[in-house]
Amino acid sequence: GAVVSQHPSRVICKSGTSVKIECRSLDFQATTMFWYRQFPKQSLMLMATSNEGSKATYEQGVEKDKFLINHASLTLSTLTVTSAHPEDSSFYICSARGGSPLNTEAFFGQGTRLTVV
Amino acid sequence: AQSVTQLDSHVSVSEGTPVLLRCNYSSSYSPSLFWYVQHPNKGLQLLLKYTSAATLVKGINGFEAEFKKSETSFHLTKPSAHMSDAAEYFCVVSDQGAGGFKTIFGAGTRLFVKA
Repeated sequence: GAVVSQHPSRVICKSGTSVKIECRSLDFQATTMFWYRQFPKQSLMLMATSNEGSKATYEQGVEKDKFLINHASLTLSTLTVTSAHPEDSSFYICSARGGSPLNTEAFFGQGTRLTVV
Repeated sequence: AQSVTQLDSHVSVSEGTPVLLRCNYSSSYSPSLFWYVQHPNKGLQLLLKYTSAATLVKGINGFEAEFKKSETSFHLTKPSAHMSDAAEYFCVVSDQGAGGFKTIFGAGTRLFVKA
């Protein structure tokens, strides 16, 4: 299958700072990328969907000014957690989908464990 | 609208006995269905996927799942559990609906394997 690389795998930051997480499709062009958040012992919750070159579509309840998503190229999307607080500590996972509009498989990165202290 | 229901939050089996993790879905379109496994503090690993080909899908590590449209089910099975199978399992549905392409995760089933 296709490879999606997510970086960093772990990050610890101070409260009030911003953190950027990168998601790259290594061997295909990702027309759509997705960002998920996973709380401990819970499932993945879709935060937002981004299409290359356009603004991200955020799910209800997700603050777009807090979680900035950029999808400037067909191989890279970034999630920036702005003014991070301890409650933003979580596991963030991206996925990427490309090819035909009929393609229903998305490939997942390995996730980023964010800890805000 | 899509939805995924994993019917058991926890399943406990003895090593060497069969595993059954249940999943029901709803979709207005022709969905693709997936099972992922997540070990503690790790990312997701794809076990298997159904994308409108054969309804019985074989995956890695001896897992398989059968797509039953009449029952809207996609249950995951394995004939003989191994200790290393202990993990969280997610059933996932993807389709291209009126609201665009979406991938929805089930709530997850924690599999415990007893020696």
